Amino acid sequence: GQSLEQPSEVTAVEGAIVQINCTYQTSGFYGLSWYQQHDGGAPTFLSYNALDGLEETGRFSSFLSRSDSYGYLLLQELQMKDSASYFCAGGYILTGGGNKLTFGTGTQLKVEL
Amino acid sequence: EAGVTQFPSHSVIEKGQTVTLRCDPISGHDNLYWYRRVMGKEIKFLLHFVKESKQDESGMPNNRFLAERTGGTYSTLKVQPAELEDSGVYFCASSPNRAGEQYFGPGTRLTVT
Repeated sequence: GQSLEQPSEVTAVEGAIVQINCTYQTSGFYGLSWYQQHDGGAPTFLSYNALDGLEETGRFSSFLSRSDSYGYLLLQELQMKDSASYFCAGGYILTGGGNKLTFGTGTQLKVEL
Repeated sequence: EAGVTQFPSHSVIEKGQTVTLRCDPISGHDNLYWYRRVMGKEIKFLLHFVKESKQDESGMPNNRFLAERTGGTYSTLKVQPAELEDSGVYFCASSPNRAGEQYFGPGTRLTVT
C-alpha cells in the first residue's frame, strides 16, 4: 500500500530554520504536497512538488527527490504562529482513473522563544 | 474568492440514524474529494469526483456511505445507517486540476452515540 513517514515532533526556537522530512511509497506516485493544520482544523495547502528540486514560497520551501523517494519542507525565520501540525501528502493515481492524496502521520512543530 | 465550505460544522446523531453532509467547492473546481479522519488517525481518502462523475470511490468504507454531486457543483455525503465507528471529521477538498494542490474545507465533525 501507500504510506508516508515523517517525524512525530520537532521543536525549534523563534527565528531558526527547521526541516521536516518525508519518505513515501512510489507505486502510482505523481507528486508531493505539504499541508499545515492548526488544532485539527482544515489542512491548509502550503506547497507542491511534481518535479525534483526546490520550490520556494516565501518563508516555506519544499524539496523532492524521486530517486530517493524523499522530500522535505523547510521553514525559515520561524515565528510562534508556525506552531502547528505539518503533513506531507503523496499524490497517487488510482486504477479507476481518479487520484487521491495519501497523508503522512503528521509532524507537530513547536516553536519556542 | 470564497473557499471550500462544509455544512454542518458539527453533527451529533444516534447509532442507526441518517446524516447528510454537504460540501460546496471553490467555484470552477471540477475535482472534488472527500476525506475523513477517524479516531485521531491520518486523514484518509474516501472518493474523487470530476464534475458530476465519480472517478474513484475505492476509499469508501462500505455501502452505508453514499456520495453524490448533482450538476457537478456541490456534493453530499450520506451515511445511512450511522455506526459508532463512523465518528470523526469529514473533510471535503476541491482542485482545479488533478495535481497535488487541493484546497480543504473546515470539515464536519460527526459524532455517533
